[in-house]
Amino acid sequence: GAGVSQTPSNKVTEKGKYVELRCDPISGHTALYWYRQSLGQGPEFLIYFQGTGAADDSGLPNDRFFAVRPEGSVSTLKIQRTERGDSAVYLCASSLSTGDEQYFGPGTRLTVT
Amino acid sequence: LAKTTQPISMDSYEGQEVNITCSHNNIATNDYITWYQQFPSQGPRFIIQGYKTKVTNEVASLFIPADRKSSTLSLPRVSLSDTAVYYCLVGATGFQKLVFGTGTRLLVSP
Repeated sequence: GAGVSQTPSNKVTEKGKYVELRCDPISGHTALYWYRQSLGQGPEFLIYFQGTGAADDSGLPNDRFFAVRPEGSVSTLKIQRTERGDSAVYLCASSLSTGDEQYFGPGTRLTVT
Repeated sequence: LAKTTQPISMDSYEGQEVNITCSHNNIATNDYITWYQQFPSQGPRFIIQGYKTKVTNEVASLFIPADRKSSTLSLPRVSLSDTAVYYCLVGATGFQKLVFGTGTRLLVSP
């Protein structure tokens, strides 16, 4: 079946702009996770949802970052007033339920110029 | 979550067995050891998970000594397509936040 998909695959934006990154989880998966991966580093946890609610957002770096999952399926990561330091690959993962094996998408490469 | 230490990189040749060791001196009693593989431009992929002794699946084997302060991922007869970054993670089963280190970059040559 279809895996986790993320759009766009690449996003280039100017410093100060607003961006939205979308994640479509595997159908039926109730848990959804966002990670950020900088060059040469492992992924870093940002936030996870169980259903529609953010169960843990402790990894969000600051209040410019926000994520939603209004219907318990698709999720959008929103970044306001982007900074060059936000440049990274943003990975989304989903699992059948919290704590189950996480399946990752290919990521969205964000470049802030 | 327990901190892990792994080699930054390893080189191998096709057909050889590769063993990647991970140190996790502060592993807790309820922690499991999980290995992920990541290819360029892809998200990480679960390989194997274990608690103690030995676990084997169709992809790899995981060896965990009695003190559980380290673990070794064994890849039998690697091919060029095994070139990837391998991450060792330690945490309680059912944990939500995967904590990745910098991983081990494995390069398999012809």
